[in-house]
Amino acid sequence: GAGVSQSPRYKVAKRGQDVALRCDPISGHVSLFWYQQALGQGPEFLTYFQNEAQLDKSGLPSDRFFAERPEGSVSTLKIQRTQQEDSAVYLCASSLNPGGEQYFGPGTRLTVT
Amino acid sequence: DQQVKQNSPSLSVQEGRISILNCDYTNSMFDYFLWYKKYPAEGPTFLISISSIKDKNEDGRFTVFLNKSAKHLSLHIVPSQPGDSAVYFCAASPEGSYKLIFGSGTRLLVRP
Repeated sequence: GAGVSQSPRYKVAKRGQDVALRCDPISGHVSLFWYQQALGQGPEFLTYFQNEAQLDKSGLPSDRFFAERPEGSVSTLKIQRTQQEDSAVYLCASSLNPGGEQYFGPGTRLTVT
Repeated sequence: DQQVKQNSPSLSVQEGRISILNCDYTNSMFDYFLWYKKYPAEGPTFLISISSIKDKNEDGRFTVFLNKSAKHLSLHIVPSQPGDSAVYFCAASPEGSYKLIFGSGTRLLVRP
């Protein structure tokens, strides 16, 4: 398992539920990114961590979205009170160093009904 | 406001021919450009990149061209192979930032 892994791969949530999406980056990678990909669109940046520090959260669409990486490895993206417009694939990427090549996980497909 | 645009949603080429995928951008602060390839149910994988100080970068069958004055880049695949069939995303990174700004993708089909 040398790549970025994400879980769950698929998640169905009823509108108003909270969800938590997990990302396991490549071991030793300093940088971690979250992106949101709506159907038919390219990935859109959500937030960036360097180790445990969240250095950029400019892409988070609302205060319902929260991300953490407390020990500088695994990261969790939490969405509170999910809405239908939150339905998308959530991609995690990691890179060895800031500015390095970003390796993407397979994504979590979130469907809010 | 799309800063990175891929105006062709799809492209179909014959095996062995050249595939040319195009990308336009609006932000002159972008200093690094990348192409990613994506198969269904997988995350994007890095293909090739180019710094804003260069106008061409080549890696095997893949070449990326950058025209800064026109704010345009293109990916050439020669010769195209059926295994190249995938969605290709153009991405750019703003100066001083590590985040990637993606286009909406072009679906390439290489016909045997």
